[in-house]
Amino acid sequence: DVKVTQSSRYLVKRTGEKVFLECVQDMDHENMFWYRQDPGLGLRLIYFSYDVKMKEKGDIPEGYSVSREKKERFSLILESASTNQTSMYLCASSPVSDRPNKETQYFGPGTRLLVL
Amino acid sequence: AQKITQTQPGMFVQEKEAVTLDCTYDTSDPSYGLFWYKQPSSGEMIFLIYQGSYDQQNATEGRYSLNFQKARKSANLVISASQLGDSAMYFCAMREDNAGNMLTFGGGTRLMVKP
Repeated sequence: DVKVTQSSRYLVKRTGEKVFLECVQDMDHENMFWYRQDPGLGLRLIYFSYDVKMKEKGDIPEGYSVSREKKERFSLILESASTNQTSMYLCASSPVSDRPNKETQYFGPGTRLLVL
Repeated sequence: AQKITQTQPGMFVQEKEAVTLDCTYDTSDPSYGLFWYKQPSSGEMIFLIYQGSYDQQNATEGRYSLNFQKARKSANLVISASQLGDSAMYFCAMREDNAGNMLTFGGGTRLMVKP
């Protein structure tokens, strides 16, 4: 079974703090993704990576950065946390496939971040 | 414009009855895939079912089936014989071939199963 783990289930931080959210997958997937989930808005893509040291902006990258130094690990960084970044953050991974539009993404359990 | 629209923020269904969760989508890409995910209160996203744009038949997975109407651009999820454990958020998502590996999600529907 594919396993995607996230470093924390719940996190409370103060405005202005630097926040690291870590995601690790154990299936040697090339693609990794960070989403944020807000009520009524579904999941919105922040950043994704299709290879080590490669990253692409998603729909809402402002205020975030990412790091992928190893294939299995994809980190989301909030350089200076703000209250509007209070949200649920979900990490996902997927393999490269010859039928990419058929391949599902595998999700971690999520991190609920509260910024005070 | 929204690419994926789920018009039902919340729904109730009686245990053992069937329920349909609506999803409409918007794309000009002829090749795409549609996915449904379940998210229980614990937070993890569970893949339920997939439908490809070129698939001739509607997808089925156990109690889940997808009512795919390509001309109407709808991909409704049907859950038969609802169980209390089906209470969760449900998300419809689309991947377009020309968008690579990215999924676009709808806003979700919260399903509540009544005993």
